[in-house]
Amino acid sequence: AQTVTQSQPEMSVQEAETVTLSCTYDTSESDYYLFWYKQPPSRQMILVIRQEAYKQQNATENRFSVNFQKAAKSFSLKISDSQLGDAAMYFCAYRSPNTGNQFYFGTGTSLTVIP
Amino acid sequence: KAGVTQTPRYLIKTRGQQVTLSCSPISGHRSVSWYQQTPGQGLQFLFEYFSETQRNKGNFPGRFSGRQFSNSRSEMNVSTLELGDSALYLCASQSLSGLLSTDTQYFGPGTRLTVL
Repeated sequence: AQTVTQSQPEMSVQEAETVTLSCTYDTSESDYYLFWYKQPPSRQMILVIRQEAYKQQNATENRFSVNFQKAAKSFSLKISDSQLGDAAMYFCAYRSPNTGNQFYFGTGTSLTVIP
Repeated sequence: KAGVTQTPRYLIKTRGQQVTLSCSPISGHRSVSWYQQTPGQGLQFLFEYFSETQRNKGNFPGRFSGRQFSNSRSEMNVSTLELGDSALYLCASQSLSGLLSTDTQYFGPGTRLTVL
């Protein structure tokens, strides 16, 4: 089974600053999808950004961008101009087209935004 | 479109009882997946249903079962509850528009189950 590793259990960032959350994964597949989800204290999981492995260009959604390094199997999330509302647990997830729609999640990184 | 809804939001049960959780996917979504989230184990995949058929199953005992109805609504059942079943149970729906769909899973707010 694929494994997803988030090595930073907790991170903090000053408001308006930039923070990068790390994620690595283990797979032998060449075609797959990667996601970052956010889970605020309300517990509702929200999609932040996604990346298709066949695309070389890094995905960007407003203040959120990724650094996708396929050879290194690394998928980090950069949050620019951090806001108080960004405080949440962030989960990295992997999905293979070969195992149906099973998503494999990392253990999460808790992000604190300091005013 | 309305989001994924889950009922009930909170449940308290005692050991040995059984429980049924319900999930209504986003309109038009035919895939429903269930996850168990605990502080120690993180998010663990339970199973996925598509067109009333279970397509994938995680590594959980047979006490955990589910089903999907023709309107794509899904239910998850846990029998003979154990203390360790206390968790947040998340449901996610997906549209699956093609064989190698890139469609995303959209999550419901979860059902918080406490087993005493």
